Amino acid sequence: EADIYQTPRYLVIGTGKKITLECSQTMGHDKMYWYQQDPGMELHLIHYSYGVNSTEKGDLSSESTVSRIRTEHFPLTLESARPSHTSQYLCASSDLSAGGFDEQFFGPGTRLTVL
Amino acid sequence: SQQGEEDPQALSIQEGENATMNCSYKTSINNLQWYRQNSGRGLVHLILIRSNEREKHSGRLRVTLDTSKKSSSLLITASRAADTASYFCATDARGGSQGNLIFGKGTKLSVKP
Repeated sequence: EADIYQTPRYLVIGTGKKITLECSQTMGHDKMYWYQQDPGMELHLIHYSYGVNSTEKGDLSSESTVSRIRTEHFPLTLESARPSHTSQYLCASSDLSAGGFDEQFFGPGTRLTVL
Repeated sequence: SQQGEEDPQALSIQEGENATMNCSYKTSINNLQWYRQNSGRGLVHLILIRSNEREKHSGRLRVTLDTSKKSSSLLITASRAADTASYFCATDARGGSQGNLIFGKGTKLSVKP
C-alpha cells in the first residue's frame, strides 16, 4: 500500500464553487503528479512538480492550478467548478533520484461531480 | 498522440485460465511499465521492463518487450477472481517526456469464478 493520500475521496458540489483537492505523500518523493481520468478511459497528466516551488502543466490543458510549498503536499485547486470538471482526479509521486523513470505511486483518487 | 495502446479493450475469462494483454507504442522508450487499477481506485505498479530487457517475471506475471515491433505483452497465469481489474501500460518517450509517463486506455479484465 503506497503512502500517498487524497482527500476527499468523493465530492459533489454546485457550479461556481471553489474547491481544493488535497494530496499528501510520506515517502519523501520529489516528483508529484495530478492526472484526470474519465470512467473507463486513460489517464491524462494535467500537472506535475519536480519539487518545492516547481509546478508544470501537463499534456492535457486544465483550468485547475497547483502549488508545491512543501515536499509532501501537492494540492489542486479549481477556482470555479463547472460540470465539465466532473471526473476522477488521481495524485501520484515518484522518486526523482531514481532517474525520474521509475514507478509512480498513486493515491486512491478523488471522484468529483459538479452539478 | 497517444503513446501506448492496449489490446484487447476488454477480456473475460474463467478462473484458472491465462490472460494475455498487449500494448503497442509509437516512439522509442527508456522503459515500459504495467499498472493495475481496481474499480474506482488508484493505480498500482505491477512491473517495469527496461528497453534493453526482453522478458521479465514477477510471481504469476510475465512481461515481454519487443522494441523492434514497439510492443509489449502482459501474461497473467492461473488467473483468479481477484485479478479482475483494468490493466494499463505506460511508457516514457525517450528524450521528450521529462520522465513523465503516457498511459494507454487499458484492458478491462474480468475473471469469472
